[in-house]
Amino acid sequence: DAMVIQNPRYQVTQFGKPVTLSCSQTLNHNVMYWYQQKSSQAPKLLFHYYDKDFNNEADTPDNFQSRRPNTSFCFLDIRSPGLGDAAMYLCATSRGPGTGGVSNTGELFFGEGSRLTVL
Amino acid sequence: AQSVAQPEDQVNVAEGNPLTVKCTYSVSGNPYLFWYVQYPNRGLQFLLKYITGDNLVKGSYGFEAEFNKSQTSFHLKKPSALVSDSALYFCAVRAYTGGFKTIFGAGTRLFVKA
Repeated sequence: DAMVIQNPRYQVTQFGKPVTLSCSQTLNHNVMYWYQQKSSQAPKLLFHYYDKDFNNEADTPDNFQSRRPNTSFCFLDIRSPGLGDAAMYLCATSRGPGTGGVSNTGELFFGEGSRLTVL
Repeated sequence: AQSVAQPEDQVNVAEGNPLTVKCTYSVSGNPYLFWYVQYPNRGLQFLLKYITGDNLVKGSYGFEAEFNKSQTSFHLKKPSALVSDSALYFCAVRAYTGGFKTIFGAGTRLFVKA
C-alpha cells in the first residue's frame, strides 16, 4: 500500500544532542511537510517542500532544519534539542497544485509520527 | 486571514447516540474543508472533505459533515456513536490563494461511553 513512513517512532535524546527524524513516501507527492504537535494540540507547521523548493514558516526556530534529497525522502534535523522541543513530529504529504487534475483537493496524508523525548 | 474554530474542547456522548463535533471557519475565497481523526500516539487520518457540490458529504467510518456557507460551519456528525470513535478530531481548512498550507482547528476530544 502507498503510504508515509516515519522513523523512528520513538526517539529519546539528551539535551543538546542532535537528532534526525526521517520520512519516506510511496505516494509520489510533490509536497512534503513537517509538523510539530504538543500535548494533543493542533499540529503546527514547521516547513514544507514543494518539490525541491523549501518553504520555512516565519516562526520556526533556526534549531530546526530539513533536507529533501529526492521525491521520496525528507528529513527533520534538530540541531540542539531543548526540553521545549519534546513533541510528536508529524510528516505529511500532498499533491501540489496543478497536479492530479480535479482529483487534487489537497488532503494531507500523514505518517504515524515520531515522538521525541528530550532528557 | 484564514482560521478554524472548534468551540468544544471535549464532547461526551453515549454509545448509540448521535454525535456532533462543531467547526466554523473563516477564509477568503472558496474553502476546501477537511476533517481528520487522531488516535493516541498515531498520526492524523483523513476522514472526509468538502470541496464543492452537495452540502452533505460522507466519509470514512460512517461519519458525515454538513457544509453551511451562510453560517461558515462544517460540523462533523455520526448517527450512532461507537466506543471506538473516541479520539481527537481536527477540522481543517485550505484555500488556494497561493499557498500550500492547511490550517487546523485546536481539536475536539470525543469520548464515547459504553
